Amino acid sequence: GAVVSQHPSWVICKSGTSVKIECRSLDFQATTMFWYRQFPKQSLMLMATSNEGSKATYEQGVEKDKFLINHASLTLSTLTVTSAHPEDSSFYICSAALGRDTQYFGPGTRLTVL
Amino acid sequence: RKEVEQDPGPFNVPEGATVAFNCTYSNSASQSFFWYRQDCRKEPKLLMSVYSSGNEDGRFTAQLNRASQYISLLIRDSKLSDSATYLCVVSGNNAGNMLTFGGGTRLMVKP
Repeated sequence: GAVVSQHPSWVICKSGTSVKIECRSLDFQATTMFWYRQFPKQSLMLMATSNEGSKATYEQGVEKDKFLINHASLTLSTLTVTSAHPEDSSFYICSAALGRDTQYFGPGTRLTVL
Repeated sequence: RKEVEQDPGPFNVPEGATVAFNCTYSNSASQSFFWYRQDCRKEPKLLMSVYSSGNEDGRFTAQLNRASQYISLLIRDSKLSDSATYLCVVSGNNAGNMLTFGGGTRLMVKP
């Protein structure tokens, strides 16, 4: 199947710093990518839909100024968590769409904010 | 009410047992249905799509009842490696590829 990578796989940072997470589709082009967040023992919650060449669409309750999304090419979307706080500690997972209903997930990035 | 609801479990079953998970969804406009598997600290992986006619893939059988807005997954002859969280996923409520995830059902298969 198609491959999606994420980098870094885990990151620990101090409160107040910004963290950038990259999501790449390695063997296909993805016009649309999605960013999810998963807290312990909870399911994936969609944060935003990232569209190549246009602004991301954020879900209700997700601050666009805090979670900056850039989808500059058909194979790369980035999520930047600005001024991270301990409550932002979570598992961040991206996916890339291939066709209408198929999404391929990246391996996730575990963020810990101290 | 959540859009996709699942019993969180955990379901603790012995090896070789048959186990069934259920899921209900609230939006009757939903068009596509899936079961994903997620291992601890890993990304979800597609297990199978679910069709109205029912479909089977080896030991796994999925069923969809549109009238009741209900989806099921049956696992026969459980293996230790089946231990994971099973996510019921629905899409087609809106334009594009958005997936809506249930909270997941945790399965633990014991020797």
